[in-house]
Amino acid sequence: QKEVEQNSGPLSVPEGAIASLNCTYSDRGSQSFFWYRQYSGKSPELIMFIYSNGDKEDGRFTAQLNKASQYVSLLIRDSQPSDSATYLCAVNMGFKYGGSQGNLIFGKGTKLSVKP
Amino acid sequence: GAGVSQTPSNKVTEKGKYVELRCDPISGHTALYWYRQSLGQGPEFLIYFQGTGAADDSGLPNDRFFAVRPEGSVSTLKIQRTERGDSAVYLCASSSGLAGGTDTQYFGPGTRLTVL
Repeated sequence: QKEVEQNSGPLSVPEGAIASLNCTYSDRGSQSFFWYRQYSGKSPELIMFIYSNGDKEDGRFTAQLNKASQYVSLLIRDSQPSDSATYLCAVNMGFKYGGSQGNLIFGKGTKLSVKP
Repeated sequence: GAGVSQTPSNKVTEKGKYVELRCDPISGHTALYWYRQSLGQGPEFLIYFQGTGAADDSGLPNDRFFAVRPEGSVSTLKIQRTERGDSAVYLCASSSGLAGGTDTQYFGPGTRLTVL
């Protein structure tokens, strides 16, 4: 059973703090990892992806991947109230047909609340 | 339009009826995906098209669900003999279809299906 696990939260942080969101996955063959943000009643929007071990930074966001531990995380620095949303971790299990990424397996999401 | 569009935005139907949900991907994107999302859950993969063909339909829950993409652009998800358990938000995504782990999916606004 391929699974992606996230703490459902809610995770509450004060404005300006660092929010740390975590995700574990079960399939060691997983190749690419994505973080999506979803506001209530809206569709998911991509924040960033990572596929190599280590850190990847994009503005206030840093994704961290540790394939040995099957763990991926998202750090949000200087959290703002506008960051309050559900954060979805998604994992690509590989390229079954030699073309695009096939399907994504999503976790249930972590709800983040940033308090002013 | 610049993004993925889906129609209708809301669909209310009665148990046992047939429904069609439409997705218009980003222009030039060869890959198209259907997911469904229930309340409090992450998106659940249904089917993935590369061009006109279904490259992976392993997520379709049963034979009441069917999807087509006859010209490699617009796709229609068809649900026969709807059941109350089919109620969810149906999300469509598209991607460029390039090989590689960075082929990211862009989601449409979704169709909220309610089966009474």
